[in-house]
Amino acid sequence: DTGVSQDPRHKITKRGQNVTFRCDPISEHNRLYWYRQTLGQGPEFLTYFQNEAQLEKSRLLSDRFSAERPKGSFSTLEIQRTEQGDSAMYLCASRETGRDTQYFGPGTRLTVL
Amino acid sequence: QKEVEQDPGPLSVPEGAIVSLNCTYSNSAFQYFMWYRQYSRKGPELLMYTYSSGNKEDGRFTAQVDKSSKYISLFIRDSQPSDSATYLCAMNMASYDKVIFGPGTSLSVIP
Repeated sequence: DTGVSQDPRHKITKRGQNVTFRCDPISEHNRLYWYRQTLGQGPEFLTYFQNEAQLEKSRLLSDRFSAERPKGSFSTLEIQRTEQGDSAMYLCASRETGRDTQYFGPGTRLTVL
Repeated sequence: QKEVEQDPGPLSVPEGAIVSLNCTYSNSAFQYFMWYRQYSRKGPELLMYTYSSGNKEDGRFTAQVDKSSKYISLFIRDSQPSDSATYLCAMNMASYDKVIFGPGTSLSVIP
C-alpha cells in the first residue's frame, strides 16, 4: 500500500494519560499535515511540516500537544495529560512538492475516558 | 461566521437522482477548491480539485466554482448507493497551504 498510513487506528485512554500517534506519508512527499476531526464536523488544521521543519501551528494546538518529524519522513503527534475534549479523529495528510493536492490517511480515532 | 459554510444535511435521495451539494465561503483569498468524500470512520478521499471559476467534470461528478459569489457546488449524476457518504467542501489560499474544510453534508442514496 503506497498511501498515507497511520498507527494506531484506534486508541482508548484514560484522562490524564499521554498518547502518541504516528503518520507515515506517501514516499517522497515533503509536506505533512495534521488535522483533527470531531463528530459531525470537517477536519480542522493543527500543524504542518516541510521536510523536518514545523512551519505552522494552529491555535488549536495547545501546550499539551507536540508534533515532530525528525528525519523528514514519518511524523508523530503526542498529546500529554489527555482530556475528554481531546476525543476525536486525528488525520494526517501529505503532499508532494509541485503537486496541488493533499492525500489523507485513514486517521487515528482517540477516545479519552 | 465560519469561513466555510455548507448545506446542512442529512440528504436522502433515490438511486439515479441528481444530487447538488453546496458551499459558501467568506474569504476571497481562497483560490483552490476541493471536494472530498468521506465514508464512515475513514479518512477523506479527494474527489475533485479546481482552481478557477467555472465547471470541471469527471465522470458522474461536476464541480462548479463561482468566485464572484464565493459559492461552490458539486453535482452527482445518476447517484448510486455507493455514493452514500459525507461530502466535504474544502479550500486553501495556496496549493501548499493548510486546507479549510466545511462541516460536511451527509448523503444517503436509497436503492
